[in-house]
Amino acid sequence: EAQLVEESGGGVVRPGGSLRLSCAASGFPFKDYGMTWVRQVPGKGLEWVSGINWNGGETGYADSVKGRFTISRDNAKKSLYLQMSSLRVEDTALYFCARGGGTNLGDYVDAFDIWGQGAAVIVSS
Amino acid sequence: DIQMTQSPSTLSASVGERVTITCRASQSVNNWLAWYQQKPGEAPKLLIYKASSLESGVPSRFSGSGSGTYFTLTISGLQPEDFATYYCQQYQSYCSFGQGTKLEIK
Repeated sequence: EAQLVEESGGGVVRPGGSLRLSCAASGFPFKDYGMTWVRQVPGKGLEWVSGINWNGGETGYADSVKGRFTISRDNAKKSLYLQMSSLRVEDTALYFCARGGGTNLGDYVDAFDIWGQGAAVIVSS
Repeated sequence: DIQMTQSPSTLSASVGERVTITCRASQSVNNWLAWYQQKPGEAPKLLIYKASSLESGVPSRFSGSGSGTYFTLTISGLQPEDFATYYCQQYQSYCSFGQGTKLEIK
């Protein structure tokens, strides 16, 4: 069964701090798929944060995180990462990793068919 | 950036009814449009991709239509498990989501 698990990285951090999220994939050929991060403030809507293509050669970021967040992947470890720096209170959210559904195989600009359970990030002084 | 606008924001309906949610894009997204269902405490679930293609395992009472800037999600014969929040998402240019439509029991 295809699965994504946000293994680590969520937590509480002060404004200006850093945090690294990790997402582990299993049950599918991770190296073939684009991957993305989507966040959701509790009780609010979904916001696309960042995406990466199958080999890491192409990445994209929402304007709200550009220059502060860095997405990466390790296909050998079947893992996706999000390095978050200069964190702000407004970055507080549940962060989901998700798989590009294969309409545009290998691309991160896609529908998202497999989602992790989410990692909570709280930015507070 | 492409802005996605859903309507209504909240929809009240009864089991067995047919309901339609609309999604408008600020510019053409061709048919690069997906629909998701999200229940409290859960991750979103993909229902429809490429505007009208049903994701594997999703009941046939869900259907999508539209192209360009106007799209609809229709649920024919609401079931108790369908009461949730629904989001549209464009993937023509990067990705962006609508603000969501909460489907409530009347």
